[in-house]
This record gives sequence, structure tokens and C-alpha cells, in this order.
Amino acid sequence: DQQVKQNSPSLSVQEGRISILNCDYTNSMFDYFLWYKKYPAEGPTFLISISSIKDKNEDGRFTVFLNKSAKHLSLHIVPSQPGDSAVYFCAATLSARQLTFGSGTQLTVLP
Amino acid sequence: EADIYQTPRYLVIGTGKKITLECSQTMGHDKMYWYQQDPGMELHLIHYSYGVNSTEKGDLSSESTVSRIRTEHFPLTLESARPSHTSQYLCASSETGTNYGYTFGSGTRLTVV
Repeated sequence: DQQVKQNSPSLSVQEGRISILNCDYTNSMFDYFLWYKKYPAEGPTFLISISSIKDKNEDGRFTVFLNKSAKHLSLHIVPSQPGDSAVYFCAATLSARQLTFGSGTQLTVLP
Repeated sequence: EADIYQTPRYLVIGTGKKITLECSQTMGHDKMYWYQQDPGMELHLIHYSYGVNSTEKGDLSSESTVSRIRTEHFPLTLESARPSHTSQYLCASSETGTNYGYTFGSGTRLTVV
């Protein structure tokens, strides 16, 4: 039973446009959510996070939105750059226990 | 500069061989993890440790074993490799009481032939 789902395996956007990556979860007890970015042949790197008591967190070009009633979060990248091309993983945790990851979305930013 | 190191980066090995994947971190983190990932799939937790001499199995059943004799070292061992063990293995660590972010190593791509 997959508790964190990323239903879009891939996404392509033009450079300069907005990229929106989506994530759904089933466990309403999750209290912290994170996004990781992964380049080929490297480990994931932490990008941005949000607590369940907030609905938005912003860091430069990256913003994460949390909709608890819909059990949905999204990552917005504005403006998108070719260097943003990578696999993006959504992750969730409950009470600081181990992270549960989604299957990832391959983002390709076209120049 | 990486603070968590995995070796080897790539390994091709024959069926039945014993292998150990190394993972070391220099950050003094209490918690360490092993994840397994196949292309296009989620990261599956196979082992974790919350401190020295503490190890637990993760959500995904694995024939591998781990040990945590020192804080900085968390090796993973397969006693008898099989083709079904072919995957990418990612080691991570985190600090108790932080914002739950993990630091990952670069991974080991294992191929069993």
C-alpha cells in the first residue's frame, strides 16, 4: 500500500515557465512533508519542506503548498531553469520517524 | 563536498558472492538508513539505525543485514548475492531533533549476474 503517490512519472516545461509537481498521500497523520531532488548517479538532495501546521513555504524559486483536506501537496518552481531537470521525490514522515517516499517525477526543462 | 560516503559506486558481481556495501558519515548523526530504489520506483526503506548497536528492518523485506558498531559507519551485507538483488542502494543519515531532512550518499549501483 503506497502511502505517498506521485502519479505523474514525467513532466516537461519550457525554460522560464512554471513547473508544478504534485504529490498525494493517504495517511492523514503525516506531520511533515519534504521534497528531494535527484540527479542521475547521485543521491537525493533536500530541497524544501513544510510542516502540517502550515499551508505554504517558500524558498527562492521554490514554493511548496499543502492542502491537508485533500491530502495533497505540490511543488512550484518559478521560473524553471534547465538545471532544474532532475527527478523530484515527495516524502512524508510521522513524528520524526523514517521518511516514506513517492516514486518520483522526472522534470525536464526545455531551453 | 559530501559528508556521507558510499563505496563502491558501481559493483558487478556474480551470483552467490558475499558483498558488503560501505556507508560512512562524518556529521555525527545518530540516525542512519538504507534505501533500495529501482528505476521509476519509490525509495524503499530496508534498514535503519537510531544509534550504536541499534538496527531495525524497514518496510521492504530484504535478505541483507546491517551493523552499527560505530556512529559513523553503517555497512550493509548480502551473504549470497542473487540477480533479484540488482538495484540501487542509497544510504542516508539524519540528526535527532532537526527538521527531519536526510543527507544521502551518492548510492551504490549493484548488478548481480
